[in-house]
Amino acid sequence: EIVLTQSPGTLSLSPGERATLSCRASQSVSGGYLTWHQQRPGQAPRLLFYGTTSRATGIPDRFSSSGSGTDFTLTISRLEPEDFAVYYCQQYGSSPPYTFGQGTKLEIK
Amino acid sequence: EVQLVESGGGLVQPGGSLRLSCAASGFTFNSYWMTWVRQAPGKGLEWVANIKQDGSEKFYVDSVRGRFTISRDNAKNSLYLQMSSLRAEDAAVYYCARGQILTPWGQGTLVTVSS
Repeated sequence: EIVLTQSPGTLSLSPGERATLSCRASQSVSGGYLTWHQQRPGQAPRLLFYGTTSRATGIPDRFSSSGSGTDFTLTISRLEPEDFAVYYCQQYGSSPPYTFGQGTKLEIK
Repeated sequence: EVQLVESGGGLVQPGGSLRLSCAASGFTFNSYWMTWVRQAPGKGLEWVANIKQDGSEKFYVDSVRGRFTISRDNAKNSLYLQMSSLRAEDAAVYYCARGQILTPWGQGTLVTVSS
């Protein structure tokens, strides 16, 4: 089972700043099959990226994702108020279970 | 519009059983893997189980294997999770989601395990 470790656990930033979130896997994620999901308070998660770099429908281009192997990064170039949420990475490249990271909470400074 | 609506959650005693349902609409249900994910109160997301388009393959996280059964009825565009021998640690919001990449997600149904 692949273990995903996200860092930092909490990130405190101001609107307009740049956010960089990390997701590290315990072994290589096959095919770059990694997703990022955003969960706002009281809401269900929603997909941001799949296949590491493919942006889901309706996701603004201030969001970007990169990485390969065991190291992946989600970047938000200029934070908007609605971006403050919890972000999860998830791998679906190896045999199930398709594990999630523990999440990074992005909070307003 | 693609939509997933979960139902069937509620309060159950430890050791009890519960069956969750997920009604799908707005897409060709039998073309997609389907997944259950749960979230304990105040905690992160946990992948629980998934099922292939025709139901021929099913996978589970270790903590529920042997107690939970995922199934689907493609004629009814519905996904199910039969949960038995429920434990306190199974208490969570249970989400269904489409595919391996999990999009979209339903709104979730709350399962409470308590005596």
